[in-house]
Amino acid sequence: GQNIDQPTEMTATEGAIVQINCTYQTSGFNGLFWYQQHAGEAPTFLSYNVLDGLEEKGRFSSFLSRSKGYSYLLLKELQMKDSASYLCAAPHFGNEKLTFGTGTRLTIIP
Amino acid sequence: GAGVSQSPSNKVTEKGKDVELRCDPISGHTALYWYRQSLGQGLEFLIYFQGNSAPDKSGLPSDRFSAERTGGSVSTLTIQRTQQEDSAVYLCASSLGTSGNTIYFGEGSWLTVV
Repeated sequence: GQNIDQPTEMTATEGAIVQINCTYQTSGFNGLFWYQQHAGEAPTFLSYNVLDGLEEKGRFSSFLSRSKGYSYLLLKELQMKDSASYLCAAPHFGNEKLTFGTGTRLTIIP
Repeated sequence: GAGVSQSPSNKVTEKGKDVELRCDPISGHTALYWYRQSLGQGLEFLIYFQGNSAPDKSGLPSDRFSAERTGGSVSTLTIQRTQQEDSAVYLCASSLGTSGNTIYFGEGSWLTVV
């Protein structure tokens, strides 16, 4: 199967930390991407995990467990500009197709 | 080019008319993708190209939708006899063409069918 699931909406406070989870059916996928999409704009690349573990990139970190079909995006020191949709996406083994989850709309409040 | 370029950026068309959307990928990118995103929804896969061939057309919603790519570069997505439910933003993306390569998106073509 190729289901990718993530929460629809989340709210967090400026300066705090938020974790956005993504689960997927493990067969056929080669790692996991995270993209950020501001309203009315195209998605922009945040991270790609192909191996298990945590990868840190400034205020953003992404984690992957391939055996569990689980990933999360961790955002620290939240800023108002982090209000956006966060999309997880999985590339397929053997081809270049990328399947997206429905996205998590994150709202940062003061 | 520096990024994925799409045209037109906005298109309003009457129901029943045909529309053509164009995508110019990043230079050197062999893989090209078309996605559709309705208001407030996730990205819906339509089709992808590797070079000029389309290994996966599984996402095209109906036979009114077609796409082609020539010269391993520019692609056009054609929607015939447009319907109101076709209203969405059509996003094109490209990548170097190996599984796991980052996909870069264009700004999209916003289609409104009235």
